[in-house]
This record gives sequence, structure tokens and C-alpha cells, in this order.
Amino acid sequence: DAGVIQSPRHEVTEMGQEVTLRCKPISGHDYLFWYRQTMMRGLELLIYFNNNVPIDDSGMPEDRFSAKMPNASFSTLKIQPSEPRDSAVYFCASSPREGAYGYTFGSGTRLTVV
Amino acid sequence: GENVEQHPSTLSVQEGDSAVIKCTYSDSASNYFPWYKQELGKGPQLIIDIRSNVGEKKDQRIAVTLNKTAKHFSLHITETQPEDSAVYFCAASRGKLTGGGNKLTFGTGTQLKVEL
Repeated sequence: DAGVIQSPRHEVTEMGQEVTLRCKPISGHDYLFWYRQTMMRGLELLIYFNNNVPIDDSGMPEDRFSAKMPNASFSTLKIQPSEPRDSAVYFCASSPREGAYGYTFGSGTRLTVV
Repeated sequence: GENVEQHPSTLSVQEGDSAVIKCTYSDSASNYFPWYKQELGKGPQLIIDIRSNVGEKKDQRIAVTLNKTAKHFSLHITETQPEDSAVYFCAASRGKLTGGGNKLTFGTGTQLKVEL
């Protein structure tokens, strides 16, 4: 099992550019979560999916953020246009069953917007 | 919504000593409390968890205690080793209950440093 795979590991972009972060969950995991980690706010849930369907996107900060899960093995988090305050580490996690049990996190994408 | 507070924010201990990290939560419906360890450059990794039907759980040098009445839970690491140095996060969830049961709310983290 390769675990949750995120790409890229690091991303540096200029303000105003579009950024796409990618995630491949563990096979068989029905739940996928996107978290953002900053020094100021810690780990924040942005959105989560169940069986490819977005269930709760109340943590998405603005309309500039969007997430999709076209199939069970792939999800994207897009920021358009990006701003310096979006700089953070973005984590994807997956879980095999209902109830927040067995969360497995990816290694994260460190995003820097200059 | 749930609010999880974690203390201390930094903790320095000598190798072989014990370390204790404490968390409180606000949502009385929370019933699942995992702890995660995050090493530099990596994602958080689950190290132990406890559900509300038990008061204590142990796994080798790690133990977690839960006081549902007081709404607080703690992580205990005994015989600390340098490889225990990392950031530790507590979290809370409603488990399988409806209304946010799949979401984890995290504490702000504790930077543990084990000194030789």
C-alpha cells in the first residue's frame, strides 16, 4: 500500500496564478479530506468527499478555492487566482469508513505564493 | 462547532522522562479522540486513539486517558526517546453520529523535544 499520494510536494507560484494540487487516496477508502495547515490556524478542514461526492465544503475559505473528485482514485484542489495568504501546507487524507476513524494523511503540498 | 484546546504548545523533556500533553474539547457529543504525530516534512500519523466508552488505552510506551465528564483527554509517553521528538496533535470527532461525524477537529499542536 503506497498510502495517500500528493503532488507536487512543493509549489511556488506568483500571485494571481492558478494552482492545482493533486491527491490519490488509498484504494478502497470511501472518504477523502482536504486540510490546510498554517502556523496561525493549525489544521483546518477545507472539504471532504464521500464516494466522490462533496459532503461538506463549509471550510473552503473563498470562491477562489474549488475541489473536485472525478473518480475514486483522484481529487484536485484548485486555487484561482492565488494570493500570498494562501501560502500553507495542504494535506489530503483518506478514510475507509464512516466516522473519522482510520484517517491516513498524505505528505502534503507546501504552497508558497509570492 | 467543536473547539479543541491543547497544552502545552512546547514541551522539553530529558530522555527517559515522561511527557504529558493535555486537551479539552467543547462538544459533549464528541466520542472519538485520536492522537497524531507529525514529523518534520511529513503528514500527521495516527499513533493512538480512544473512544468514549473507555477511560484509558495503552500501547507500549503510549497511553491516552479520557474524562468525559470534564471533557478532557491526555496523551502520556513514558521512557521518552529522541525519536519521540515531533509535533503531537489531539483531535475530536462525533464518530458515527450525524452532524459532522466524519470530521476531525484538531488541537493546535505540541512541539515535543526529547533531549539527550
